[in-house]
Amino acid sequence: GENVEQHPSTLSVQEGDSAVIKCTYSDSASNYFPWYKQELGKRPQLIIDIRSNVGEKKDQRIAVTLNKTAKHFSLHITETQPEDSAVYFCAARDSNYQLIWGAGTKLIIKP
Amino acid sequence: GAGVSQSPSNKVTEKGKDVELRCDPISGHTALYWYRQSLGQGLEFLIYFQGNSAPDKSGLPSDRFSAERTGGSVSTLTIQRTQQEDSAVYLCASSLDGTSGRWEQYFGPGTRLTVT
Repeated sequence: GENVEQHPSTLSVQEGDSAVIKCTYSDSASNYFPWYKQELGKRPQLIIDIRSNVGEKKDQRIAVTLNKTAKHFSLHITETQPEDSAVYFCAARDSNYQLIWGAGTKLIIKP
Repeated sequence: GAGVSQSPSNKVTEKGKDVELRCDPISGHTALYWYRQSLGQGLEFLIYFQGNSAPDKSGLPSDRFSAERTGGSVSTLTIQRTQQEDSAVYLCASSLDGTSGRWEQYFGPGTRLTVT
């Protein structure tokens, strides 16, 4: 079955710098890759997603890239702000229509 | 529009008691998922309902856990004979259609379960 690995587990960046979180997946049939942001004590919220028929998607300061050959996808956050501090989860949709989740990355924005 | 709602928001129960957690998905969403999240941890899949199909129960950790979805809408997760290790936040999510096209999952606020 699908397996998703996420790195790093913790990422600390200076405010204004960029942050990159990477995920790898095992099932080449996976075709949907969302990213969720979870602030402390809150529910996970979808921030961006990508399907396997495109290689990159952007939404303002956030972008996701997908490399199907290497089976990895990444979240890029530019010009980081204090409100970007949260735990970020990646996921991959498997052939059973479920999302297989990464373990999460705690992003810390230093002022 | 209204999002996914869950009740209760918090539940404290004694070890050995049964609990029921409720989820109201977004209207029109045919797919419904239950997850468990322990403190500081990731999302653990429990069960998935898609329309009128038989649910995927592959994530339920033991036979003390069960769930049902009545009328293709509201779902109830039941934990029998609760144990301390059941303490966690139970999250429900729904998506428009789990089998084609619209796969974005929207989460409810969760139920924080504490077993004493």
